[in-house]
Amino acid sequence: GENVEQHPSTLSVQEGDSAVIKCTYSDSASNYFPWYKQELGKRPQLIIDIRSNVGEKKDQRIAVTLNKTAKHFSLHITETQPEDSAVYFCAATYQAGTALIFGKGTTLSVSS
Amino acid sequence: GAVVSQHPSWVICKSGTSVKIECRSLDFQATTMFWYRQFPKQSLMLMATSNEGSKATYEQGVEKDKFLINHASLTLSTLTVTSAHPEDSSFYICSARHTGEADGYTFGSGTRLTVV
Repeated sequence: GENVEQHPSTLSVQEGDSAVIKCTYSDSASNYFPWYKQELGKRPQLIIDIRSNVGEKKDQRIAVTLNKTAKHFSLHITETQPEDSAVYFCAATYQAGTALIFGKGTTLSVSS
Repeated sequence: GAVVSQHPSWVICKSGTSVKIECRSLDFQATTMFWYRQFPKQSLMLMATSNEGSKATYEQGVEKDKFLINHASLTLSTLTVTSAHPEDSSFYICSARHTGEADGYTFGSGTRLTVV
């Protein structure tokens, strides 16, 4: 089955800096890669996703890149703000009807 | 659109009792739902895949007799934690895949289970 590795587990940045979180996946058939932000005790919130037919996707300060050959994808947050502080999870899945498999998460702390 | 309602949001039960958690898809039909468990400061771990009208598929290490899953309709899946013990205390969350304009996965709001 799919296995998703996520690094780093914690990341501390100063407000305004960029943050990068990286994930690798094991199943080359995976074709959907979402990123979620989760606040304590709440459901994960989708912040951006990418499908295997695209190499990069951007939404304002957030971007995701995908390297299918290397089987890794990354989340980039620019101009970080204190409200970006949360736990971020990457996930992968390989076909319709199958579950998302999550990475272990990254706790991002943005200090002002 | 694509809303999943999960109840209860939190529950405290005594050791040895059973607890039922419900997830309903409100505006779409969910032939498949996924159940996850999340311990504090950990990731979402897939427990089982719930298929409407058939038996659930459990992940390795998840006891199917302890975590009973029923998916009797296209909009309702339930997870029953039987003979709960303190080590079952966790955050349980369901998810369903929705298709159409916003193809993706939607999550319930989660259930915080505390077994005392």
